Amino acid sequence: DTGVSQDPRHKITKRGQNVTFRCDPISEHNRLYWYRQTLGQGPEFLTYFQNEAQLEKSRLLSDRFSAERPKGSFSTLEIQRTEQGDSAMYLCASSPRSDTNEQFFGPGTRLTVL
Amino acid sequence: LAKTTQPISMDSYEGQEVNITCSHNNIATNDYITWYQQFPSQGPRFIIQGYKTKVTNEVASLFIPADRKSSTLSLPRVSLSDTAVYYCLVGSGGYQKVTFGTGTKLQVIP
Repeated sequence: DTGVSQDPRHKITKRGQNVTFRCDPISEHNRLYWYRQTLGQGPEFLTYFQNEAQLEKSRLLSDRFSAERPKGSFSTLEIQRTEQGDSAMYLCASSPRSDTNEQFFGPGTRLTVL
Repeated sequence: LAKTTQPISMDSYEGQEVNITCSHNNIATNDYITWYQQFPSQGPRFIIQGYKTKVTNEVASLFIPADRKSSTLSLPRVSLSDTAVYYCLVGSGGYQKVTFGTGTKLQVIP
């Protein structure tokens, strides 16, 4: 257990529905990341927050995806109008400072879109 | 971010030392080399990070030659529980966008 928690751990939804995932980072970490991982591939970067500011977004993050970190603590990732191609593991990670590449990953949320 | 190349898979017997090499020909002066381990259905876990020469911790060693165009993760005396995917990443300290690649799937055989 790294101290990063994600909820839910599993989500099954029907195509076209909206889903929201939550990530609670380690409390003193000001940096938070979201990744998406499909079977047999490494995690793909989606977006990054420093405190409450969203500083970088991947082109993978289409207009159906939105992420927030309103108070610089927990974060949410919402996917609107889900598609079957959105089925993946969604990983959240946090890190404490800018001079390290060490990120602490949560257990992930596995999304299945039927 | 510098692109990395590593073997897709490796097999090793229990008790052996395993060396996984990563190529990063375009590494920049201020880039660090970081290795992560990932078990199925879990998030990646940081193993080790280095800039040059050799770094050792309780889990692994990281060897980086002078030209820094490659690096080798060394796992001493592997056990079955070391079966996992190992990712090599290159980037400056605190870089925001991280590229994991496909990693090296290590299978430890009894």
